[in-house]
Amino acid sequence: QSALTQPASVSGFPGQSITISCTGSSSDVGGYDYVSWNQQHPGKAPKLIIFDVNKRPSGVSDRFSGSKSGNTASLTISGLQTEDEADYYCSSFTSSITLVFGGGTKLTVL
Amino acid sequence: QLQLQESGPGLVKPSETLSLNCVVLGGSMSSTHPYWGWIRQPPGKGLEWIATISYVGHTYYNPSLRSRATISRDTSMSHFSLRLSSVTVADTAVYYCADLGIVGRDFQEWGQGTLVTVSS
Repeated sequence: QSALTQPASVSGFPGQSITISCTGSSSDVGGYDYVSWNQQHPGKAPKLIIFDVNKRPSGVSDRFSGSKSGNTASLTISGLQTEDEADYYCSSFTSSITLVFGGGTKLTVL
Repeated sequence: QLQLQESGPGLVKPSETLSLNCVVLGGSMSSTHPYWGWIRQPPGKGLEWIATISYVGHTYYNPSLRSRATISRDTSMSHFSLRLSSVTVADTAVYYCADLGIVGRDFQEWGQGTLVTVSS
């Protein structure tokens, strides 16, 4: 199975909004509302921040939001803060009853 | 709050079998927490899903690792394991176990990870 496609890096200034894309196919992202996003700080385990395209687990800031259009899902972070600097990975359920990750996006807060 | 704790050998020789264990603390594999899995991350690289197991024993594998990976659970439902055979240096990674929640479509809780190095 092929990894989902994410930009290698994005950046923004504190207070701004940024969006990270995650592109797959009709067999994964486009076919199911089972896209999730994980945040990983250096040297730490990943943490779930969005599931089922646009749902937030308890305790996750509402500055994080998710959406999907066709075969592309997106994560938007509004009111960017320095602690948002991390790697972000999307994942999706697939028609083969497997899970697949994106390659990851490094967010730099300028 | 459910927590996960991985344990592993740290160092494995090429061609040997890697065995990892994940203990579920503060809970167990059950109908309320039915799906569990393994994910790995080579140094400096991205995440790769390896396998998922349900509390009734159904298993699902990454096609690229299916021939070498075996995920299993203990009958006590308090821990689950991963075996990866015929390892090479490409299998060097931090291995994470995770709670995949009710429907097994996302990674609800992660363990802290354990580094496994494949080297002679």
